[in-house]
Amino acid sequence: DVQLVESGGGLVQPGGSLRLSCAASGFIFSDYWLSWVRQSPGKGLEWVANIKDDGTKKFYVDSVKGRFTISRDNAKNSLYLQMDSLRAEDTAVFYCAREKIATASAFEIWGQGTMVTVSS
Amino acid sequence: DIQMTQSPSSVSASVGDRVTITCQVSQEFSHYLNWYQQKPGKAPKLLIYDASKSETGVPSRFSGSGSGTEFSLTISSLQPEDIATYYCQRYGTFGGGTKVEIK
Repeated sequence: DVQLVESGGGLVQPGGSLRLSCAASGFIFSDYWLSWVRQSPGKGLEWVANIKDDGTKKFYVDSVKGRFTISRDNAKNSLYLQMDSLRAEDTAVFYCAREKIATASAFEIWGQGTMVTVSS
Repeated sequence: DIQMTQSPSSVSASVGDRVTITCQVSQEFSHYLNWYQQKPGKAPKLLIYDASKSETGVPSRFSGSGSGTEFSLTISSLQPEDIATYYCQRYGTFGGGTKVEIK
């Protein structure tokens, strides 16, 4: 089965750091762009960052530029999101998602999500 | 920045009704628009991509149309299992969501 499984969420203090991981299985990982999408409690979806299939291109939403870093290890079929200088407004469920090839980033496969809470 | 405005923000309809959700985009960009369904506590699910192409396994009562700046998602006959929030999206921008409820 094609699957994405996130991990690494938790409670962190403002200004702290957290590293999310997303383990992929059931498909050729290195063929796909991948994204992180988040959802604050009771709010809508917000795209956070994405990374090209070979890792050579990365894009971020303005609100996380300079604080978050997306990366991937194609040998380990894993996607990561390093989050530094965390703020209360970063509290959200974070999903990793696979982008459908040759589309406007249609997110065809999603993980179950991992909760990040930024609070003192 | 591209803005995507969904309407209505919520809709209440009876089982069997036709429901249409609209997504208006601030910049014209051909046919690239995707639609998702999200049920409470669950990850979103891709329904429609490239404005009108159905994702594998999506019931035929869901359809998408539009181009340019105005797009729509239609549920031809609302079913109880369709209760969810629906989002439009293109690249890094999502619409605000439309909550669909049963009357």
